[in-house]
Amino acid sequence: EAGVAQSPRYKIIEKRQSVAFWCNPISGHATLYWYQQILGQGPKLLIQFQNNGVVDDSQLPKDRFSAERLKGVDSTLKIQPAKLEDSAVYLCASSDRTVLRYGYTFGSGTRLTVV
Amino acid sequence: ILNVEQSPQSLHVQEGDSTNFTCSFPSSNFYALHWYRWETAKSPEALFVMTLNGDEKKKGRISATLNTKEGYSYLYIKGSQPEDSATYLCAFSSGNTPLVFGKGTRLSVIA
Repeated sequence: EAGVAQSPRYKIIEKRQSVAFWCNPISGHATLYWYQQILGQGPKLLIQFQNNGVVDDSQLPKDRFSAERLKGVDSTLKIQPAKLEDSAVYLCASSDRTVLRYGYTFGSGTRLTVV
Repeated sequence: ILNVEQSPQSLHVQEGDSTNFTCSFPSSNFYALHWYRWETAKSPEALFVMTLNGDEKKKGRISATLNTKEGYSYLYIKGSQPEDSATYLCAFSSGNTPLVFGKGTRLSVIA
């Protein structure tokens, strides 16, 4: 079974520039999550999708971050404009009804550096 | 705001030593407690998902216990090997809600 795919693996941008990350979850997984992990902290939820609908985006800084999951499969996360404090690893994960047995399946993340 | 605490933050052990980490979480509205292993440049990998008070789970040399009444879980590694070097994350959910993660314990096993 293919894992959760994320791209790019690394990205370096200047502050005030825009950036987009892509995630392709496990086939058939209805729930998709984007987490932000800043160095020294635990992963923090940015947004949760159920199919193509948003379930929880309460911690998404909506003035600069946006995310979509068209057709309930792939998802993109965008930052516009980026700030220095957005430097972090952005993790995408997916799950289905077996989450209490197998947990989330994560991608390898995108490491963003804003300079 | 849910608070999940992990200790220690980092740990260095010799190959062959056994070790354990702690995860503390709110004891109310418990639904599930997850443990993940995250090796550098790889994806976090699910180790255990625990739902019942008193649960004990084991995978090879790694095991975990759960106490939902007092709000803690222990992860044990028996006979640590260099390949066990990773960050170990615990995560809590209350009801059918997204996981809230701790900061992790970074383990380094020295050969």
